[in-house]
Parts: sequence; structure tokens; C-alpha cells
Amino acid sequence: AQSVTQLDSHVSVSEGTPVLLRCNYSSSYSPSLFWYVQHPNKGLQLLLKYTSAATLVKGINGFEAEFKKSETSFHLTKPSAHMSDAAEYFCVVSDKAAGNKLTFGGGTRVLVKP
Amino acid sequence: DAGVIQSPRHEVTEMGQEVTLRCKPISGHNSLFWYRQTMMRGLELLIYFNNNVPIDDSGMPEDRFSAKMPNASFSTLKIQPSEPRDSAVYFCASRRLAVVTDTQYFGPGTRLTVL
Repeated sequence: AQSVTQLDSHVSVSEGTPVLLRCNYSSSYSPSLFWYVQHPNKGLQLLLKYTSAATLVKGINGFEAEFKKSETSFHLTKPSAHMSDAAEYFCVVSDKAAGNKLTFGGGTRVLVKP
Repeated sequence: DAGVIQSPRHEVTEMGQEVTLRCKPISGHNSLFWYRQTMMRGLELLIYFNNNVPIDDSGMPEDRFSAKMPNASFSTLKIQPSEPRDSAVYFCASRRLAVVTDTQYFGPGTRLTVL
């Protein structure tokens, strides 16, 4: 069965400093992996996705993530945080064995300090 | 494109009442998903449809919940009777293709409060 663990429930960074959100997954098959962002009282928006092509994936708003099969990780990074990055971030896994369903991590809430 | 549209955005009701949540997927999308988000359980998939047909409803919590998709542009999630533990944000999402690699697009959600 597929599963996702987001290692930090909260991350606090200063504006202009790097952001690292950690995600580990478990999957029986070659997974597809996604990062979604949810701003307060909003729906979820896709940041980026990995679908078995390049292991380094670039997304919107300067975010990128690297798929590391040996570590079963898909960590999200951004070199310089902006105040608008304050939100909750979800790591998501999906594989064929799960019938195209998404499994969400518990979320990481990011606070950006001025 | 207008994106996924959900209504109402907020619903407050009393225990025992029927609640109907509505969703209009993005035009041309063939898969539709209903999720529930709570602090305790996070985001959970309730049910999803491909081409208007329910494929997997294993996430529907109990018989009080039902979902329909009478056509490609409309779906409902009904709770009857509602209970306070049903209070949550309910999201609808749609996807163009029925493949794992395709992106799901989420609506803004309906915040349901059952008193």
C-alpha cells in the first residue's frame, strides 16, 4: 500500500532564506509524486509533479523537488522564501496499485518571518 | 477557464438535517473526486468517478453519505442525516485523464458546520 510521511508538521523560516520541506513515501510500484500548496481558506494548487521523467522537478513560484528512489524521498525546496509562501504544503503519492487514487501526507505548515 | 466550482462555500446546519454539496468540474475533465479535510484526519478521498461512473467509494464513511454524478458537468455529495462529526471542509477535484500522472485540480471547498 502507498503512504506518505511529511517529517515536519511546522517549518518556520525567515524571508529570503532557503525552505526545505521533507517527504518520504512508500509505494509498491513506480509512483507519481506531487506537491500541492494550500493557502488559508483556499483550495489546493499543484506546485509540481514527478512522473518518472527527470528526477529534479521544477515547479511554480521557484519551488523544486528531487526524486530519490534509493532514499524514497521527494523533498521540496526553494532557495529564497517569500512572505507569500506562508501556507500548508502537502506531499502526495499515487501509483497504479492504488487505482489512480492520491494519498496525502499530513501536511507541513510554513511560517515566513519578515 | 473558471476552474472547479463548488457551492455553497459555507454551510451551517443543525444535526439531523440533510446537506447537499455541489460541484461543477472543469469542462472536458473525465474524472471527479470528492475529498474531506479535517484537523484530525487530514485529507481523505471519499469517492471518485470516471466518465460519470463511481469507481471507488471505499472512503465514504457510512450510509449517511451518498454521491451522484448525473452528467459530466455536475456532481453532488449528500449527507442525510448530518451529524456534528461531519463538520469539515469538503473539496471537489477534477482531472482530464484517468491516469495517475495527470493533475487533479481542486475547487475552493465547502466549509460545513453541523451544530
